[in-house]
Amino acid sequence: EADIYQTPRYLVIGTGKKITLECSQTMGHDKMYWYQQDPGMELHLIHYSYGVNSTEKGDLSSESTVSRIRTEHFPLTLESARPSHTSQYLCASSDNEQFFGPGTRLTVL
Amino acid sequence: AQSVTQLGSHVSVSEGALVLLRCNYSSSVPPYLFWYVQYPNQGLQLLLKYTSAATLVKGINGFEAEFKKSETSFHLTKPSAHMSDAAEYFCAVRERNTGFQKLVFGTGTRLLVSP
Repeated sequence: EADIYQTPRYLVIGTGKKITLECSQTMGHDKMYWYQQDPGMELHLIHYSYGVNSTEKGDLSSESTVSRIRTEHFPLTLESARPSHTSQYLCASSDNEQFFGPGTRLTVL
Repeated sequence: AQSVTQLGSHVSVSEGALVLLRCNYSSSVPPYLFWYVQYPNQGLQLLLKYTSAATLVKGINGFEAEFKKSETSFHLTKPSAHMSDAAEYFCAVRERNTGFQKLVFGTGTRLLVSP
């Protein structure tokens, strides 16, 4: 079944740790996105990709980095997590419309 | 730059009552418009979208929205609320004629449905 997956769904981690949030889609979409969502706030685009080896920064400045080595995979990495990174991170992919994954809720202590 | 305004961070209705969630956009050219729903601890699911065909758009779960250019609005309605409709609803816009599908979201409206 074509879908978009995110792991882990929940992550609690200490300050200074390196983390990678995984995102995979089985729909063959070229375009993929990462959004950050805080409670009661709109989604903000932090990274996007047109396809393999293409990554761009979004509207909201983020200390995270992304890579796109394979079409189906678009991981997000934080080299040194801080409490200010606590948020929900949503991955999406698109053809004519965007399809969203279930999100990763990150808490940095 | 485009923006989206959703009036009311919370809307409360009784089961069976009319649901009306408001969305206004700012854009010099009518954009593509979307409504997404987010259930607790889940991602966003597309409810419906306006792409320039009929101004009254029907979506899933009995929802519909009407594009009104003169009012720059795209309000979401449902004739009769169900308990399962309780969720967060986001309106979003996307510019036309751009190669990249950047969505700009509103701040969301939480729909509360009481028995």
